[in-house]
Amino acid sequence: NAGVTQTPKFQVLKTGQSMTLQCAQDMNHNSMYWYRQDPGMGLRLIYYSASEGTTDKGEVPNGYNVSRLNKREFSLRLESAAPSQTSVYFCASRDVPRQYFGAGTRLSVL
Amino acid sequence: GESVGLHLPTLSVQEGDNSIINCAYSNSASDYFIWYKQESGKGPQFIIDIRSNMDKRQGQRVTVLLNKTVKHLSLQIAATQPGDSAVYFCAEILPGGFSGGYNKLIFGAGTRLAVHP
Repeated sequence: NAGVTQTPKFQVLKTGQSMTLQCAQDMNHNSMYWYRQDPGMGLRLIYYSASEGTTDKGEVPNGYNVSRLNKREFSLRLESAAPSQTSVYFCASRDVPRQYFGAGTRLSVL
Repeated sequence: GESVGLHLPTLSVQEGDNSIINCAYSNSASDYFIWYKQESGKGPQFIIDIRSNMDKRQGQRVTVLLNKTVKHLSLQIAATQPGDSAVYFCAEILPGGFSGGYNKLIFGAGTRLAVHP
C-alpha cells in the first residue's frame, strides 16, 4: 500500500517556467489537498478537492492551479514560476478527520 | 534537506529519557487535535489524535495531554529513542472542520526533537 505518492521529488525551475506537480493516492479517499511548507512556518493550504470534479482555494492559492483528474489523482500547476514559490510542497488525502501526506516535492525557483 | 527545520525551537534529550513537546493552539472552539512527526526529507506522519472532550489519550510510547483552559497540548514520548529524532507539530481542526471537504486544519510550526546517545 503506497499511500500518497508525489512526483517529482526535486525540481529546479527558472523564473517564468511552468511545471506540474503530480499526486496520486491509493486509499480511495474522497478529499485531497495541496500544501506548501516554508522554513519556520506551518503547512499552508494552497488548494483542496472535496471530491472528484470539485476544487476550491485554500489560504495561499495565488500563482497556482489544480486539476482533480480522477479520484486518485490531484495535480498542482505553476504557470509562471516565481522565486517566492520556492518551497516544499505536500499533497495529502483525508480519511476523516486525519490527513495522510506524501513525501513532498522540493522546488527551487531561481 | 533540512530547510523545513530551520528556525524551529529544539528540544535535546538523552536516549532513554522521556520527552515532552508543547504546543499552544489558537482557537478555543477547536474540537480535534493531531500530532504529526516529520523526519528529514519525508512528509508528516500521523502519531496520535485527541478530541476536545478528552484530557488525555495514550498510544504506544506516546501520550497526548489537552488543557483547554490555557489552550495547550503536549506530546509525551516515553523512553525516547534515536529514531524519534524529527520535527513534531500539532494541528487543530476548527469548528465545522468535519464537514465538507475543507478540513480547516491549522498547523503549528513545530519543534525539533534531537535525541543524543
